[in-house]
Amino acid sequence: QKEVEQNSGPLSVPEGAIASLNCTYSDRGSQSFFWYRQYSGKSPELIMFIYSNGDKEDGRFTAQLNKASQYVSLLIRDSQPSDSATYLCAVNREDSSYKLIFGSGTRLLVRP
Amino acid sequence: SAVISQKPSRDICQRGTSLTIQCQVDSQVTMMFWYRQQPGQSLTLIATANQGSEATYESGFVIDKFPISRPNLTFSTLTVSNMSPEDSSIYLCSVEDGQETQYFGPGTRLLVL
Repeated sequence: QKEVEQNSGPLSVPEGAIASLNCTYSDRGSQSFFWYRQYSGKSPELIMFIYSNGDKEDGRFTAQLNKASQYVSLLIRDSQPSDSATYLCAVNREDSSYKLIFGSGTRLLVRP
Repeated sequence: SAVISQKPSRDICQRGTSLTIQCQVDSQVTMMFWYRQQPGQSLTLIATANQGSEATYESGFVIDKFPISRPNLTFSTLTVSNMSPEDSSIYLCSVEDGQETQYFGPGTRLLVL
C-alpha cells in the first residue's frame, strides 16, 4: 500500500525561528510533491509544489526533494504565529499521476 | 487558481437519510475529485468525477453509497446515501489545474445523528 508518512507533532518553534517539516513516501514512481497548509476548520491550501531534486524557494518557504531517499521537506523561515497550522504532504500516485496520496499532517505551533 | 464553492457548508442529518453536496468551479476543469476528511485524520480520496463518463471510485468506496454526478465541466455533486454516524466527516471537492496540482473547495461539514 502506497504511504506518505509525517510526524504528527506538534512541532513547537519560537517566533522568528526556522520550522522544518519532513515527509517520506513509499511510491518510488511518484514525480510530483506538494505541501498544503490547513488551518483548523478550513480546507487545505496549496503552499508549494516541487518536481525536481533539490531546493525550491518561494518567499519564506523552501521545499526540498530527495527522490533517492524518498524524502521531501518544507522549511519555513522567520516563522510567524500565523503559520500555526497543520501541514499536509501529498505525493502523486505512480499508477495515476493526477491522484494524490496525503500524509496525516504535522501540526506546527509558533510561539510568540 | 480556480474559485471553488461548495453547498451546503455544513449540515446535521438523521441516520438513514441522504445528502447531496454540490461543488461549483468558476472555470472549466477536466478533473474533479471528492475527498473525505474524518475528524483528526488526513484526506482520503473517494472518487474522481469525470465529465461525460462514470466516476471512478477508490478502494473501499462504492457508487451505491456515494453516487456522483458530473453534468458539465464546472459542476459536480456527491451524494452520501443511507447515512450513519460513521459518515460524519468533512467532504471536500478539488479540481486539478492541468499540471497535476489540486485546489480545494471550502468543504462541507456533515454530522449524522
